[in-house]
Amino acid sequence: DQQVKQNSPSLSVQEGRISILNCDYTNSMFDYFLWYKKYPAEGPTFLISISSIKDKNEDGRFTVFLNKSAKHLSLHIVPSQPGDSAVYFCAARGDSNYQLIWGAGTKLIIKP
Amino acid sequence: DSGVTQTPKHLITATGQRVTLRCSPRSGDLSVYWYQQSLDQGLQFLIQYYNGEERAKGNILERFSAQQFPDLHSELNLSSLELGDSALYFCASSSGPPRGYNEQFFGPGTRLTVL
Repeated sequence: DQQVKQNSPSLSVQEGRISILNCDYTNSMFDYFLWYKKYPAEGPTFLISISSIKDKNEDGRFTVFLNKSAKHLSLHIVPSQPGDSAVYFCAARGDSNYQLIWGAGTKLIIKP
Repeated sequence: DSGVTQTPKHLITATGQRVTLRCSPRSGDLSVYWYQQSLDQGLQFLIQYYNGEERAKGNILERFSAQQFPDLHSELNLSSLELGDSALYFCASSSGPPRGYNEQFFGPGTRLTVL
């Protein structure tokens, strides 16, 4: 039972363009969503988050949008840079234990 | 560098064996989390400790156990290993109380291969 889904295993984007990574969830009780970035041979690192009471959060080149009615969130990276090439994980905080439930990740490749 | 260390980096063992993975959290962090990432899967939460006590359990098999020691380092013990246990095992730490959200900082992981 995958409560958090990232349906695109990979995404290729030209340098300087916008990268849009998508994430869908099934549990309407999730109250906090996060994006983590992971380089090879390293652990995930926190990128940006959004509370369920908001629909947008911005941090520099990174913006996360939340559409609660559609149970969908997206991460926009503008402009995309070569260093953004990594695997991006979407995670949601749910249940009374406040644990994170993770998507399978999307590998983003930025082409020069 | 997240400040979280994990040893060993790689571990190759045989089915039926037992292994111990070790994690040292960031200085001052009281919470430790263990995750398993199998091939092309997301991270599966296994277990959380806070200041030496177990706080939450996820999809952890009975063959697996963990503990957090007084110096706050943690160990994950995997026994009666099966081929399907081959995965990346991540440890993460955070500073705050277990029922709030505090950013989790991840170690580089231990890659376990069971032959």
